[in-house]
Parts: sequence; C-alpha cells; structure tokens
Amino acid sequence: DIVLTQSPGTLSLSPGDRATLSCRASQYVQNNYLAWYQQKPGQSPRLLISAASTRATGISDRFNGSGSGTDFALTITRLEPEDSAVYYCQQYDISPLTFGGGTKVEI
Amino acid sequence: QVQLVESGGGVVQPGRSLRLSCAASGFNLSGHAMHWVRQAPGQGLEWVAVMSFDGSNNFYGASVKGRFSVSRDNSKNTLYLQMDSLRTEDTARYFCARDPGWLRYSDYFDYWGQGALVTVSS
Repeated sequence: DIVLTQSPGTLSLSPGDRATLSCRASQYVQNNYLAWYQQKPGQSPRLLISAASTRATGISDRFNGSGSGTDFALTITRLEPEDSAVYYCQQYDISPLTFGGGTKVEI
Repeated sequence: QVQLVESGGGVVQPGRSLRLSCAASGFNLSGHAMHWVRQAPGQGLEWVAVMSFDGSNNFYGASVKGRFSVSRDNSKNTLYLQMDSLRTEDTARYFCARDPGWLRYSDYFDYWGQGALVTVSS
C-alpha cells in the first residue's frame, strides 16, 4: 500500500497568511494521481484538487496544488477564517486508495 | 445539483449485520463508479469499497474484504453497502462518494454524501 504522510499535523496562522501543507508518499505516485480534500467540522469532505494541481469546479484560485513523484504540496494563499479545516491528500495511482492522516489548519 | 443521501446507520451488536443505502440524484448514476469511504470518530478517512458503473466489478479494502459487499440498483438510483460480521472497529461514519469518471474509474471523489453513522457496540 502507498502510505501518505502529511505534515505538519497542525498549522496555526493568521488571516492573510500563506499556508503550505505537505504530503509525502512512500512510493512514486504515477501520473500525479493525487487529490486534496477539505473537511470542515461536522461536514463531509470537499474535493479541492485532482491530478496534483487541477482545481475542482468552483474552487478559489487561492488553493494551489503542486508536486510530483513522492512529494506534493497544497498552498493556500491569503488565508481567510473560513479556510479553517482539516486537509487530506489521497493517492489514486494504486489500489487500495489511501489517504494521508490530515493537516489541521487553524486561522 | 448532485446529491448523495445515505441512510440505514445505527447501533448494532458485534457480529450482526447492517445495510446502508445511498440515494443519488442530480446526475446519471449508471455512468459513474461509486465508492464508500469511512471515518472513525475523530480520525482520518479510510477507503472501503468501490463498485463499477455497471455493477460488474467490486473492489474492497483489506479491513472489510469478505465481510462487506457493495451493490447498486441503477433503476432506483441507489447504492448499497451490506456490512456483515461487524466489529467494534467498524464504528465510523460511512460516506458514499461519486467517482468523477464517466464509464470508467478515476478513483478519486468529486461529490460526497453527508454520511451515515454506524456504531458497533454490545
């Protein structure tokens, strides 16, 4: 199985700051088959990014995905209070599909 | 708009069975693979299972293989998760989620339901 390790565990920032979230895979993720999701308390996850860097429909351009191979990142610019959430990465290169443990962003 | 609504959750004793349903609307279910993903209380996300768009193929995570089975009734726009031989570690909120691929797997999730809570306890 591909293990995804997300860091840091928690990120505490201020409105207007930039957040950089890391997702490291235990083996090469082919074709950049990596997605990012946002989950707010009490809600279901929401797709932000697929194919490492393609924003989903309706997602603000403040959310940017990057990386390839084993190292991926989600950058959130101009943080807003509504960005407070847990962010998960997910690989869909190899079955079983696996998620990272999440990064909690506190604004 | 796309909507996924899970039902059938509840409290069940270890070793018993439960069936979850996921009612889909706002899109053509018959063209999409559908997944189940679960989240234990206060924990992260775990992929459980996927069923192909036409129901011809299912794949399962190791922790549920042989105990859970996925089915679908495209005429009723509904996906099901049959959970047998339940264990305390199956306690979680179960989400159904749409695969964005049309007539193929993409293996990520573009729409999610609100989830159904399953508690396995004696």
